[in-house]
Amino acid sequence: DTAVSQTPKYLVTQMGNDKSIKCEQNLGHDTMYWYKQDSKKFLKIMFSYNNKELIINETVPNRFSPKSPDKAHLNLHINSLELGDSAVYFCASSQYLGLAGIETQYFGPGTRLLVL
Amino acid sequence: AQKITQTQPGMFVQEKEAVTLDCTYDTSDPSYGLFWYKQPSSGEMIFLIYQGSYDQQNATEGRYSLNFQKARKSANLVISASQLGDSAMYFCAMRVWNTGTASKLTFGTGTRLQVTL
Repeated sequence: DTAVSQTPKYLVTQMGNDKSIKCEQNLGHDTMYWYKQDSKKFLKIMFSYNNKELIINETVPNRFSPKSPDKAHLNLHINSLELGDSAVYFCASSQYLGLAGIETQYFGPGTRLLVL
Repeated sequence: AQKITQTQPGMFVQEKEAVTLDCTYDTSDPSYGLFWYKQPSSGEMIFLIYQGSYDQQNATEGRYSLNFQKARKSANLVISASQLGDSAMYFCAMRVWNTGTASKLTFGTGTRLQVTL
């Protein structure tokens, strides 16, 4: 009964390829996120979706295209992979509770992407 | 712009001792939340504790407590009675209440804690 799941867990691919990472949450949350953790362990948000609508796009190259078919799923497609895309990608979800709500984000296990 | 600073790249603590991991933040927004996450070597991000900017009392969650000093803009994590399983990276993060439903966590650079025998 994993709350936030991601597939695959590991992804090794060649430069120039296109790949997708899938994320699913069974918490009933209405907001989902993609974060990137670089080799120095720094975590930075990439995208946020609320009820399938893109809310945050943090100046990510347009080779990265998120897609939310429904509010329980947020997939990340990456075109023309580059060496610098090697990182751990985390999916997260939360429930919007209004301005004063405690909106804890719960993270998936991460997808380790290595571009050769 | 929001910023989280964790000045301790690495910390050591002996088993059963208490340890404080530092976190300072910067925001001009009066409404914000502060979070601590643990990332063990297996890689997952585990939510530990939350403190809201309007909370009057410091948050506690089992062996974790948050020493929230609003005037100093600090939100240090205190782990009491350290255990070997506490060895991990610890991240401080802040959420600012943006307009609408948009929200994001801004993370610090993390502190690697090593618990020794």
